Amino acid sequence: SQTIHQWPATLVQPVGSPLSLECTVEGTSNPNLYWYRQAAGRGLQLLFYSVGIGQISSEVPQNLSASRPQDRQFILSSKKLLLSDSGFYLCASYFRTEAFFGQGTRLTVV
Amino acid sequence: GQQVMQIPQYQHVQEGEDFTTYCNSSTTLSNIQWYKQRPGGHPVFLIQLVKSGEVKKQKRLTFQFGEAKKNSSLHITATQTTDVGTYFCAEVNTDKLIFGTGTRLQVFP
Repeated sequence: SQTIHQWPATLVQPVGSPLSLECTVEGTSNPNLYWYRQAAGRGLQLLFYSVGIGQISSEVPQNLSASRPQDRQFILSSKKLLLSDSGFYLCASYFRTEAFFGQGTRLTVV
Repeated sequence: GQQVMQIPQYQHVQEGEDFTTYCNSSTTLSNIQWYKQRPGGHPVFLIQLVKSGEVKKQKRLTFQFGEAKKNSSLHITATQTTDVGTYFCAEVNTDKLIFGTGTRLQVFP
């Protein structure tokens, strides 16, 4: 079983401020890693995924970026947040047959 | 692009009633997974189906994969208040983990 550490749990940021969300994985090596955003009461929108160190695939053009500096570390960033970036951000690790999720970060941009 | 639709979007049931959510794809699915997300929580893996026509059971939950591998269903028998949450189907395709639109289940005691 894997453990996904994601922090912070909640975040309130002003428009135009930078963002950095970090996700680390325990219990496996070389997993596929994912960032999702979930609007209130809605589905999971895939933002980025990575199959290895330094390998990032972007699914939705936007002002967010992702990086994977280490095998079990996945970072979601923005240089300038927009109001529309508010949402529930989830990091996931997929290995073999199932995905494990972090607890999520609830981001409110004000 | 790849789309996995789920119906219904919402379902309200009385405790003890049955519940079914359906997952439909425009393309053939290599596999289908099901996850449950409790309110305020994160998705938790329930099961994976791989074979055409496959049926798996977990206590009151029955999962089916269509013969053409383009649809799947999750059926809950005699719902309980602990079944409340959003149920997602998902597919892993060329390293992408794509989730369906989800069905939110509310159970009234």
